[in-house]
Order: sequence, then structure tokens, then C-alpha cells
Amino acid sequence: AQSVAQPEDQVNVAEGNPLTVKCTYSVSGNPYLFWYVQYPNRGLQFLLKYITGDNLVKGSYGFEAEFNKSQTSFHLKKPSALVSDSALYFCAVRGTFGSGNTGKLIFGQGTTLQVKP
Amino acid sequence: NAGVTQTPKFRVLKTGQSMTLLCAQDMNHEYMYWYRQDPGMGLRLIHYSVGEGTTAKGEVPDGYNVSRLKKQNFLLGLESAAPSQTSVYFCASSYPTIPTKKKLNTEAFFGQGTRLTVV
Repeated sequence: AQSVAQPEDQVNVAEGNPLTVKCTYSVSGNPYLFWYVQYPNRGLQFLLKYITGDNLVKGSYGFEAEFNKSQTSFHLKKPSALVSDSALYFCAVRGTFGSGNTGKLIFGQGTTLQVKP
Repeated sequence: NAGVTQTPKFRVLKTGQSMTLLCAQDMNHEYMYWYRQDPGMGLRLIHYSVGEGTTAKGEVPDGYNVSRLKKQNFLLGLESAAPSQTSVYFCASSYPTIPTKKKLNTEAFFGQGTRLTVV
């Protein structure tokens, strides 16, 4: 079954330190992976995606994510956190259409990132 | 370019009432989705559509119906609202993923949400 797991409800990090928000997935065929961010009382904003190619993808606001097929993971990272990065982060997966997948886009339960000054 | 527009933005219903949420996109996207967001539960897929005239069930479809009569519109209906359907509802749309086109914009674009309270 298609699923996404974000094992941490909350991640706390000091400003200037590196951050990692974890995501693992399960899907038939090749995965298409996405990270989104949600600020309070707002919709979801796209950060970055992995479709194919390089395992390290770079996105908006200095974020990057590393695709690891053997570990079925797609962790979000940033070398130096900012207080303004504090928000709710969602990982999502969609499988290759036709590999038992139907275009369904599934999200994890979200991880709250708290960056302290 | 409006992107994805949801109406209404807020609504209060009494138990047993019905209503329809409208999602409209102007990006010619094939795929459209309805999610609900509840504290600690993340985004859960209610129903989705991979093209005009097609719909499919997501993770939590019970109590909801959908229709995609026009490519640009995806309607979510609650026939008999229940307090358990109090939530924030998000609509999203995207292109399908074509593996040979690496740079195709395949990410989903979201509306601003509808806050629904059922009393």
C-alpha cells in the first residue's frame, strides 16, 4: 500500500545549526517525492521534488533533500536553520502511474519544525 | 493567474445539512485532489480525479461524494454533515507525472483551504 511516514512530530533546532526532517515512504514502482511547507493559517507551499536523476535535490529557501532508494527515504535538510523556517513540513509520495498506482498523492502526518534563536 | 481557488473559505453547518465545496483551477491540470487536515493527522486524501469524468476514493472517502464534470472544477459534497467532518479542507491540482520529462511541473498546487465547522 502507498504510504508516507514522518517519524517525528516535532523537530527542535537552534538557529544557525543544520536541520533534518525525516521521511520514509512505501509505493509500488518508482516514487515521485515532494516536500511542502505550511505556515500558520495558510495553504501548502511546494519546496522541492524528486522525480528522477540526481539523488540530492535542491529547492526553495535553501532546503535540499536526499533520495535514498535502498532505505526508501527522502529526508529534508538545510545547512543552517533560520527562525523563519519554523513551520509545519509535509512529505508526500506519488507512484509511477500504471505500476499499481493510480495518480494518488499521499502525505505524511507532518513534522513541526521549531527553530529557536 | 488565479491557480487553485476554493469556495467558500469558511462555513458553519448544522448536523444533517448538506453542502458542496467548489475547487476551480485554471492551469489545465489533469489531476485534482481533495484533502482534509486535522490536528495531528496530517493531510488525508478524501477523493481524487485523474481526469475529467473520473473520480476515485482516497484514504477517508466515507461521508463525501465528488464530481468532475469539467476539467477545471472538482466538487466535494457532504450529503448529511456530521461533527466528525469539522476540519480544514484543501483542494489541489497537478499534471500527471511523465518519467521521460524530468522537468515537467508535476508538483501539486494547493488552494487556500475551507474551514468547515459542523455543530
